[in-house]
Amino acid sequence: GENVEQHPSTLSVQEGDSAVIKCTYSDSASNYFPWYKQELGKRPQLIIDIRSNVGEKKDQRIAVTLNKTAKHFSLHITETQPEDSAVYFCAASRSFGNEKLTFGTGTRLTIIP
Amino acid sequence: KAGVTQTPRYLIKTRGQQVTLSCSPISGHRSVSWYQQTPGQGLQFLFEYFSETQRNKGNFPGRFSGRQFSNSRSEMNVSTLELGDSALYLCASSLDRVGAFFGQGTRLTVV
Repeated sequence: GENVEQHPSTLSVQEGDSAVIKCTYSDSASNYFPWYKQELGKRPQLIIDIRSNVGEKKDQRIAVTLNKTAKHFSLHITETQPEDSAVYFCAASRSFGNEKLTFGTGTRLTIIP
Repeated sequence: KAGVTQTPRYLIKTRGQQVTLSCSPISGHRSVSWYQQTPGQGLQFLFEYFSETQRNKGNFPGRFSGRQFSNSRSEMNVSTLELGDSALYLCASSLDRVGAFFGQGTRLTVV
């Protein structure tokens, strides 16, 4: 089955700096890669996703890149703010929606004011 | 539009008992998935239902089961509870192949 590895497990960055979280996946048939943000005691929230036919996608301060050949994808957050502090999860799936997402182990991002 | 609603939010059960959790998806969403979240194992896929049919299943024992009703609402049942079943159970709904949106979860504690 699919295996998703996520690094780093914890990340601290100064407010205003950039943060990068990386994931690798094992199933070459995976073609949908969402990222979720989970604040303490809250539900995971979909923040951005990318499909295999796209190499990069950007939404304001958040961007995701995908390298299908190397089977890895990354989340980039620029101009970080205190409210970006949370646990971020990457995931991979063979379909574009709700079908069997395999999650990474999460990255706890702390923004230092 | 209301989000994904899960009930109850908290549950405490005794080993050996069974439990039923409920999930109401976003209106119009026909796909409902269930995930178990624990500090040790992270987020793990349990199963996915679409139009009342189980479409995908994760690697959990048969004590974990689910169903979906004609209005897309879903229930998850765990029988013969074990201490290790203590977790946050999350439900996610999707407009089939367009993202997955999570509910607040049901925190189950087995004592």
